[in-house]
Amino acid sequence: DPKIIQKPKYLVAVTGSEKILICEQYLGHNAMYWYRQSAKKPLEFMFSYSYQKLMDNQTASSRFQPQSSKKNHLDLQITALKPDDSATYFCASSGQGNQAPLFGEGTRLSVL
Amino acid sequence: GDSVIQMQGQVTLSENDFLFINCTYSTTGYPTLFWYVQYSGEGPQLLLQVTTANNKGSSRGFEATYDKGTTSFHLQKTSVQEIDSAVYYCAMSPRNMGYKLTFGTGTSLLVDP
Repeated sequence: DPKIIQKPKYLVAVTGSEKILICEQYLGHNAMYWYRQSAKKPLEFMFSYSYQKLMDNQTASSRFQPQSSKKNHLDLQITALKPDDSATYFCASSGQGNQAPLFGEGTRLSVL
Repeated sequence: GDSVIQMQGQVTLSENDFLFINCTYSTTGYPTLFWYVQYSGEGPQLLLQVTTANNKGSSRGFEATYDKGTTSFHLQKTSVQEIDSAVYYCAMSPRNMGYKLTFGTGTSLLVDP
């Protein structure tokens, strides 16, 4: 059974709309992250959360907002969606920030 | 900024062939180097981690080596099998920031039976 659960697996959205990508991990990890994989760029780091606090943000746009309601949850809210946001978004986690992350199976977002 | 160059976009081999994938990196300090494997429809999985202190790592028949002089690191396997068909990514993180990976563009390996 997957230990990092991402929902939904596929998502289609209209330009200008807002979506929330869900991530839960059952590994007992304290740190969670978001990465993005698009057709134009390699996998890239977006955010790091540790004990529900934002530790690192490599995303230039404020349209991307992580939300952590519980220690093992890190959702990603994306507002004012653009076609360029089309990508697979991976949630990841690790016990501590100095450890290599384990990845979920991803949410594939298509913005029309 | 940090960068990882992975030149081989696609590699096709036959079973029992030798696999060699090469990456170069650019950063300040002493990074930690990784190899991830991604199967179709799944997220990347950690295959190997190589710290620049120990130069080598091995897992599932794969071996990773590192050359500080040329700031390059390599993944090899003596005898590939069809089940090894996947995309292989090299990646790098700053020391003690293992979460903050900079990935290469990936090498898609197809192994013909």
